[in-house]
Amino acid sequence: EVQLVESGGGLVKPGGSLRLSCAASGFTFSSYRMNWVRQAPGKGLEWVSSISSSSSHIYYSDSVKGRFTISRDNAKNSLYLQMNSLRAEDTAVYYCARDYLGSVSNDYWGQGTLVTVSS
Amino acid sequence: QSVLTQPPSASGTPGQRVTISCSGSSSNIGSNTVNWYQQLPGAAPKLLIYSNNQRPSGVPDRFSGSKSGTSASLAISGLQSEDEADYYCAAWDDSLHGVFGGGTKLTVL
Repeated sequence: EVQLVESGGGLVKPGGSLRLSCAASGFTFSSYRMNWVRQAPGKGLEWVSSISSSSSHIYYSDSVKGRFTISRDNAKNSLYLQMNSLRAEDTAVYYCARDYLGSVSNDYWGQGTLVTVSS
Repeated sequence: QSVLTQPPSASGTPGQRVTISCSGSSSNIGSNTVNWYQQLPGAAPKLLIYSNNQRPSGVPDRFSGSKSGTSASLAISGLQSEDEADYYCAAWDDSLHGVFGGGTKLTVL
């Protein structure tokens, strides 16, 4: 059974940092592109970042570029999102998702982890 | 404001057929495939349609997708009360970003 479990969310002050993790199981993690998608409270879905299976291709939304870093460890079946210089507008539930075809076709999602940026 | 444009709301009665539109541009829908997601309250999104019109295993054939030019549509036939949810379209953009629609809240009357 495919499982994605996020962790690392919490309350952080503006300007602070947080590192999200996503533990994958039940599939060959190293074969899939992975995405981070977030959802602010009461708002829609927003694509945040993508990383190819071998980490050779990495993409970010303009809203997080230069502040967030996506990475993965295929040996540990894990995906990460290092978030620096956090702002109030980064407050959201962050989902990790497996991209089935590498085109935002996320066929499996984690349960999400809440990040709250507030003083 | 989302890159892909969806109507904020849609509604229908049980058994009815409803469609949800998604409008984009030549750099996203016009040159890449479209995916659709269903999000029930308090739950993670679920892939409903991928590659414009393909259904993942387990998705009822009441759900169908289509694409023409820079627009796409999700159709739900035989509407059921459990279809009440938020629906999102998504695609890759040639500017090397993923893009989502703003979402459509479907109400079953």
